[in-house]
Order: sequence, then structure tokens, then C-alpha cells
Amino acid sequence: EVQLVESGGALVQPGGSLRLSCAASGFTFSTYDMHWVRQATGKGLEWVSAIGTSGDTYYPGSVKGRFTISRENANNSLYLQMNSLRAGDTAVYYCARAYSSSWPLDVWGKGTTVTVSS
Amino acid sequence: SYELTQPPSVSVSPGQTASITCSGDGLGEKYACWYQQKPGQSPVLVIHQDSRRPSGIPERFSGSSSGNTATLTISGTQAMDEADYYCQAWDSSTPVVFGGGTKLTVL
Repeated sequence: EVQLVESGGALVQPGGSLRLSCAASGFTFSTYDMHWVRQATGKGLEWVSAIGTSGDTYYPGSVKGRFTISRENANNSLYLQMNSLRAGDTAVYYCARAYSSSWPLDVWGKGTTVTVSS
Repeated sequence: SYELTQPPSVSVSPGQTASITCSGDGLGEKYACWYQQKPGQSPVLVIHQDSRRPSGIPERFSGSSSGNTATLTISGTQAMDEADYYCQAWDSSTPVVFGGGTKLTVL
């Protein structure tokens, strides 16, 4: 069964850091682009970052310079290092896979919750 | 930055056809896809490449695109189709762009 399982969500103070993980199984992880998408409570989906099979990375302006996406193909794992966290980063964070660039996000995890608050 | 615009809400009676639009500059020249998200659940891909249904998605879900607008159509809408729907496309400035989402109410 194709599966993505996120972990690492927590309550963190503003300015703090957090590292999210996503464990992939049931498919050849190294051959897929991987994404992080977040959703604040009651709000829409917001794309956070992507990493290609060659390790190329992409970010929207809202997180560029603060978030770093990485992958470890040997362990079928995706990561999101989040620094300088703000209240606006509070959300459920999903990891998702895409066959390639310009392909849809066809499998999503259940998400992990990040709360930034003092 | 590239933007996709969806109506905040759409209402439909059971058994009728629901249409949800997604507008963006030059959207017809890009592929669009659609996700369904029910409360407390992760998004599920229901349409990709404008009009293709992934396996397991009911035939009542269809998609089309023309000009600057992509449309998700649900024929014979059922109560179980009540959910939030998001369109998504790709742009050179931002690899992944989501629309703001449309809440479909079946009443």
C-alpha cells in the first residue's frame, strides 16, 4: 500500500525551530518529486516546498530563507526544517508525492500539526 | 505571483449537476487538477490534466478547461460529495498554485 506518514509536529514558541519528517512506503520514493503543503485551521491549502528527484528545491516567498526541504532516499524519508517560526506558520502540514514536475499530487499523508505560540 | 480564483461556495440539490470554476490568467494553456477534501481528511485528487479521472474516482466527476477557466463538474451529485474542492495548476513563478477552495453544499 502506498503510504506517507508525517511526524514531528509540536507546539513551538515564535522564533523557534522544528523539523518535520515524512516516511514513505509502498512505492519507489527516489523516483518521485515530493512536496509539503500546509493548511491553517479553516483556511485553504498553501504549497510550502518541493524537492525534485535530483535534489532541486523550490519555495514560495512566504517561507523562502526560513524553511529547508530535504530528502533521504536511502531511508525513504522527506524532511522539512523550519526556522524562525511565526504564528502564521501554524497549520497542519501534509507531505505529498508527484510523479514529476507539473504532475498532480496524487498521494497525501494525514498531516502533522504545527502550532507556533508563546 | 500566479493566482487561481474559485467561488467560495456552491450549492446543489441531490441528483443535480454541480459546477465549480477556477480562473487564472492563461489557465487554458496549463494543465489544471482538482482535489476533494472532506472535513478532517487529507485532500484527494479527483481530476488531473484538466479532465482525467484517477482510478477509483466515480464517473460523475469530470473536468474541462477553456480560455482562462477550468471547471469541475459533478453530475448526479450525492450527499457524499459535500466537501471542499481545490483547483491547482503550475506556473513558472511558483511550481504549485492552489485556488482558494470552494465549499460544495448538497441540500
